[in-house]
Amino acid sequence: DAEITQSPRHKITETGRQVTLACHQTWNHNNMFWYRQDLGHGLRLIHYSYGVQDTNKGEVSDGYSVSRSNTEDLPLTLESAASSQTSVYFCASSERQGRNSEQYFGPGTRLTVT
Amino acid sequence: GDSVTQMEGPVTLSEEAFLTINCTYTATGYPSLFWYVQYPGEGLQLLLKATKADDKGSNKGFEATYRKETTSFHLEKGSVQVSDSAVYFCALKASSGGYNKLIFGAGTRLAVHP
Repeated sequence: DAEITQSPRHKITETGRQVTLACHQTWNHNNMFWYRQDLGHGLRLIHYSYGVQDTNKGEVSDGYSVSRSNTEDLPLTLESAASSQTSVYFCASSERQGRNSEQYFGPGTRLTVT
Repeated sequence: GDSVTQMEGPVTLSEEAFLTINCTYTATGYPSLFWYVQYPGEGLQLLLKATKADDKGSNKGFEATYRKETTSFHLEKGSVQVSDSAVYFCALKASSGGYNKLIFGAGTRLAVHP
């Protein structure tokens, strides 16, 4: 069955270190997204991609970057981790861009920055 | 800008009780509306959606009706079960600068006890 996976599921890192969170989907979806989930804020969009070599900033993109070298993967990099980036991170993908299209979510990565 | 407001939780109910989780939205244009559910330790799953005014989305005994006049999309279930314990997110998707952004409410935690 097609799926979307994230790794690692849990990560503890120190302030200032570079961290990369992996996201892999087997639906062959062109559209992929990264969100962070914080108490009281729901999910907020970090970056998104419409296809290979395409990346765009979301509403909370400062301190994060993504790259899209193939259809299946959209890794999220924290250039220099900060305590404010302690959060749960979700990757999602969708087949279409339209307003009716569904996004499929991965299981999440819990990141703690100490 | 576009936004979603949902009732604060936690909501605590006994099994077989009636559930309502309120959701109101602000959006330009004609958004699509969604309810997502997040079970403990998992990612978000689409529960139901409605794409135009007066549409009713339904799934697993849950229902929500798109009310344009009151800008609301309240989630209801006639008889909840312990297995319905989860966090519920209301979301909208509206066109903004060519990209259809999925905007989430803060989430409402539901706890159902036997």
